[in-house]
This record gives sequence, structure tokens and C-alpha cells, in this order.
Amino acid sequence: AQKVTQAQTEISVVEKEDVTLDCVYETRDTTYYLFWYKQPPSGELVFLIRRNSFDEQNEISGRYSWNFQKSTSSFNFTITASQVVDSAVYFCALSEAYNFNKFYFGSGTKLNVKP
Amino acid sequence: DAGVTQSPTHLIKTRGQQVTLRCSPKSGHDTVSWYQQALGQGPQFIFQYYEEEERQRGNFPDRFSGHQFPNYSSELNVNALLLGDSALYLCASSLKGRGLNTEAFFGQGTRLTVV
Repeated sequence: AQKVTQAQTEISVVEKEDVTLDCVYETRDTTYYLFWYKQPPSGELVFLIRRNSFDEQNEISGRYSWNFQKSTSSFNFTITASQVVDSAVYFCALSEAYNFNKFYFGSGTKLNVKP
Repeated sequence: DAGVTQSPTHLIKTRGQQVTLRCSPKSGHDTVSWYQQALGQGPQFIFQYYEEEERQRGNFPDRFSGHQFPNYSSELNVNALLLGDSALYLCASSLKGRGLNTEAFFGQGTRLTVV
């Protein structure tokens, strides 16, 4: 069975602090994909990153970085120098190899960035 | 290029009633998935439509049904509404045809309240 766990329900930081959002997943599939989505108050899920199970290279995109470790089944997301606009709920998700539109989502981490 | 559009944005229904939610996929997309997101939770997969047929289904009762039209738009129907059906319903579209498997784009959702 597929499962994604985001143990941090809510995190509050002050602007310019770095923050890491944790994600642990379970799957028996050898090929799978991991995602991070951002959900602002408007409700729409905004795609941030996709990673396949064979690519363990860390990725950096501006202030965002992702650390994928298959050995610990983790796919953590770090925001460097956080900004108030980063305040949102962040979801980690797992999908099957050939179906990018069937997600198993974690319960989300609400990030509050205070000025 | 319009993204995924959902209607209505908000809806209030009484227990026992029936409701229909609508989704227009992003231009060029042929696959639609529906998700239910209860307050404070991650989205849960309801079902996926491709080529006008339900292809996959999550752990939801038969009260939840759907349809996909030739223009790829989709409806989600929920019968005999329960208070527990109150949630944000998200639609996500992607392109699966011709051997492709593209990123999913989400709509802003329909907020359903059952009273």
C-alpha cells in the first residue's frame, strides 16, 4: 500500500529563516514518483517538483531545495531565507510510475512565515 | 490558455440531497481525476476518467459517481449527501493519450458544505 507521512502539522518561522518540511513515504513499487505541491488559501494545488525513484540527485531551484533519500524513504523540502509569500500548506505526494494523475498525498504541513 | 476550471466554487446542500460538480480540463488534456480534501487533510483520490470511462477508483462508496464527456470535461455526482461529505473537491487534468503521461494541473476546487 502507498502511504505518505508528513509528521509536521504546522511550522512557524520568522522571515529569512530556513525551514525544512519532512516527508516519509511507503511503497512496494520499484518505480514511482514523488511530488511536492503548494496550496495557498485559494485552494489550487501548485506543482513544485517531481522526482522519479531512480533519480536521487538533490535539486535546487532558487530558494527551494529537495533532498531525496531512498535509503530512508524520505523526500524533504527546504526553503532558504523564507518569505511571507511562502506561507501556505505544502503537500508531499506519491504517484504510480505511469499515472501522474493518481496521487497519494500526505496530510500536509502548514507553514506560517511571520514578518 | 485556460487552466483547469471547476464550477461552482461554493455550494451548500442539505443532507440526503444530490450534487453535481463540474470540471473543464486544461486545453489539450484528456484525463481527469477527482479528489476529496477534508478540512486539515490531504486530498484523497476518488476516481479517474479517461476515454469517457472510469479507469481507476479510490476507496469511496458508490454514492460517488462520475462521467466524462467527449470534450474531456467531467462531472462528479454525489448522492444521498452526508455531513461527512463536506470538503473541498479538486479536479486535476493531464494528458495520457498517445503514450504520453504529463504533469497534472489542479483546479481551484469546489467547496461543498452539507448541512
